[in-house]
Amino acid sequence: DAGVIQSPRHEVTEMGQEVTLRCKPISGHNSLFWYRQTMMRGLELLIYFNNNVPIDDSGMPEDRFSAKMPNASFSTLKIQPSEPRDSAVYFCASSFMFGEEGNTIYFGEGSWLTVV
Amino acid sequence: AQKITQTQPGMFVQEKEAVTLDCTYDTSDPSYGLFWYKQPSSGEMIFLIYQGSYDQQNATEGRYSLNFQKARKSANLVISASQLGDSAMYFCAMREAILNQAGTALIFGKGTTLSVSS
Repeated sequence: DAGVIQSPRHEVTEMGQEVTLRCKPISGHNSLFWYRQTMMRGLELLIYFNNNVPIDDSGMPEDRFSAKMPNASFSTLKIQPSEPRDSAVYFCASSFMFGEEGNTIYFGEGSWLTVV
Repeated sequence: AQKITQTQPGMFVQEKEAVTLDCTYDTSDPSYGLFWYKQPSSGEMIFLIYQGSYDQQNATEGRYSLNFQKARKSANLVISASQLGDSAMYFCAMREAILNQAGTALIFGKGTTLSVSS
């Protein structure tokens, strides 16, 4: 059974360029989460969706960040324009929405972003 | 205020010994879940164990057990018989309102680095 799939795994880009990170959640899961991990700030929630609808985007740093979930099997996180301080590992995670099955949240392998 | 507190930046243990990683949490929600994840140096986040606030018994998964003390708001992870492969960063996390349709996302602590030596 495929887990959460993220792409790209690694990206190096120049400041000012647009970056798009992609995520395919586990089939059947109806909650999707985007997290960012840095040494300084640890793991931060950026945004999460239930049934493709954004529920909490209070963690999105600023207008340069946007996230979409056009359907149950795909989500994107876009940074435009990118800045060096956006360098981090970006994790996508998915789960069932609630109940006993919502007790396990699975993470993708992460997208390692470096902005130079 | 921090919702999840892990006070041990680093822990050191020898192979085959047991180790306890501390986690305290803060919530006023009656329904919440507590999670532990392992992050090895390769970077992936591996789910280890879950404890629901209404669960009567402490959760166990193989060598992992969760020492859940609800009144003290602590959810310590106990790893029995440590192995070299247990060396990693360990994160405690909480999800609130788990009985509601739009429950919260996971909130993570800062993590504890565990080093297991032979």
